[in-house]
Order: sequence, then C-alpha cells, then structure tokens
Amino acid sequence: AQKVTQAQTEISVVEKEDVTLDCVYETRDTTYYLFWYKQPPSGELVFLIRRNSFDEQNEISGRYSWNFQKSTSSFNFTITASQVVDSAVYFCALKDSGGYQKVTFGTGTKLQVIP
Amino acid sequence: DTAVSQTPKYLVTQMGNDKSIKCEQNLGHDTMYWYKQDSKKFLKIMFSYNNKELIINETVPNRFSPKSPDKAHLNLHINSLELGDSAVYFCASSFTGPGTEAFFGQGTRLTVV
Repeated sequence: AQKVTQAQTEISVVEKEDVTLDCVYETRDTTYYLFWYKQPPSGELVFLIRRNSFDEQNEISGRYSWNFQKSTSSFNFTITASQVVDSAVYFCALKDSGGYQKVTFGTGTKLQVIP
Repeated sequence: DTAVSQTPKYLVTQMGNDKSIKCEQNLGHDTMYWYKQDSKKFLKIMFSYNNKELIINETVPNRFSPKSPDKAHLNLHINSLELGDSAVYFCASSFTGPGTEAFFGQGTRLTVV
C-alpha cells in the first residue's frame, strides 16, 4: 500500500524567510513517481514538479528547490525568500508504476507567508 | 484556452436531488479522473478512465456514476444527494503512463443542504 505523510499541517513564516515542506512516502514499488502540487486560496491545483524514483538529482527552479532522498523516503520542498504569493496548501503525491497508476496524495501543508 | 474545465464551479442543491458535473479537457490526454476534496483538504481519487474505459473505481457509493462519452470528456452524475456529499470535486487529466502528471480543473464546490 502507498502512503504519503506530510507531518506539517500548517506553517507560518515571515516574508523573505526560507521554508521547507516535508514529505515522507511509503511504497513497495521500486519504480515510482513523486509530485508536488500547489493549491492557492483560489482553489485550483497547480502542478509544480515530478520526480522519478531512479533520479535522485535535486532540482532547482527559481526560488523553489526539491530534495529527493530515497534512503529516507523523503521528497522535501524548499521555498527560498518566501513571498506572500507563496501562501497556499502544498500537496505531495506518489504514483506507482502499476497498471492502475493510482495517485496517493498527502494531507497537505498549509503555508502562510506573512508580509 | 482552459486546459481542464469543469462546470459548474459552484453547485448548491437540496438533499435527495440528482446533479451532474461536467468536465472537458483540450490537452489531448487519454486518461481522466475525478477526485473528491473534503473539508479538511484531503484529496482522494474516486474514478479514473483511460480511453473511455473505467480503470479505477475506488470505494465510492454507487450513487456516483461517471460517464465518459469520449476521451476529452468525463462527467460525474450523483443521485440522491446526501449532506456528506458536500465537498469540492476535481476533474483531472493526464497522458497514460506512470510518469505523467495530472492537470486539474478548477474544482466544483458542491453544497448539499
């Protein structure tokens, strides 16, 4: 069975601070895929990044960076120099390589960036 | 140029009514999904269709019936609505393949009174 744990329910930071959102996953598959999605207050779900289980390179995109560590089954997301527009609920998700390709979402971390 | 669009955005209805939510995608994807997001923001897949064929059917009451007339459309019909059905319902689509991300519609907030 797949499981995604986002232990941080809510985080508040002051603008320009760095913040890391944690994601820990469980799967029996050796091949799997991890995702991060952002849900701003307007409600839509926005895809941020996909990572394959066989690619442990970290990724940086502007102020966003992702740290994938198979040894600890973690896929953490860091926002550098946070901005008010980063305020949202962030979801980590896991997809296996099986025929049904079911996606399991974590419970989300609500990030509030205070000006 | 909306990629995944669902209508209506808001739906308020009385218990016992039947309602439908429509979803269309113009991304050329061959897999479509319905997700339910509850009041605590928990997202759970309900159904998945691949090329109009049902491939995932989670533990969902049979009052919920998806219908996919073609690859670009996946509608959700709900019979005999109950208070507990109140939630935000998201449609999503993706290409077939495990390493593909899903793109979501803007959600339909269903309120049953």
